[in-house]
Amino acid sequence: GEDVEQSLFLSVREGDSSVINCTYTDSSSTYLYWYKQEPGAGLQLLTYIFSNMDMKQDQRLTVLLNKKDKHLSLRIADTQTGDSAIYFCAESMETGANNLFFGTGTRLTVIP
Amino acid sequence: GAVVSQHPSRVICKSGTSVKIECRSLDFQATTMFWYRQFPKQSLMLMATSNEGSKATYEQGVEKDKFLINHASLTLSTLTVTSAHPEDSSFYICSALSGYLDNEQFFGPGTRLTVL
Repeated sequence: GEDVEQSLFLSVREGDSSVINCTYTDSSSTYLYWYKQEPGAGLQLLTYIFSNMDMKQDQRLTVLLNKKDKHLSLRIADTQTGDSAIYFCAESMETGANNLFFGTGTRLTVIP
Repeated sequence: GAVVSQHPSRVICKSGTSVKIECRSLDFQATTMFWYRQFPKQSLMLMATSNEGSKATYEQGVEKDKFLINHASLTLSTLTVTSAHPEDSSFYICSALSGYLDNEQFFGPGTRLTVL
């Protein structure tokens, strides 16, 4: 079955860049997603990347995909305290975000 | 943006009782809703897919008689944990699939269930 792994914790200083990593095992993944979960709130879709892309940038967020190594990363530039949250990567083999398989989540703590 | 609510946000119940959790899409219609379970320091595990007007599809290993799902309208799905036991204590999260907003899943804030 699908296996999506992330490190559990990451701490960075405010203003630095954060890099959250994710590895997956299913080479037939079509879409890869990054979600953000703040306390008491639902998962919020941050960005996604199609498997035939290497990189996607959206303002402070940069997603890098190494399909050969099955490695996905999310870089947050100029990290702010409001970025403190749990970040989940997820993969899907279907269009339209059906059947999402989630990683364990990485808790990002931003130190002022 | 699209909003999904869950009620209650927290519930504590005695072992052997049943608990109902509601998931509502507030400003869009969702023909498909998903129910996930999240253990501490673990990923969200899909329990079942709920389609309006039809029976839910359960993932392997999920007891359908234990976790009753009803999707009676385009904006409401309910999950009932029947005869709850302490091992059912978990964080339950629903999501609703919008068929037109890039077909994105919108997640509820979750329900923390504690069974004593």
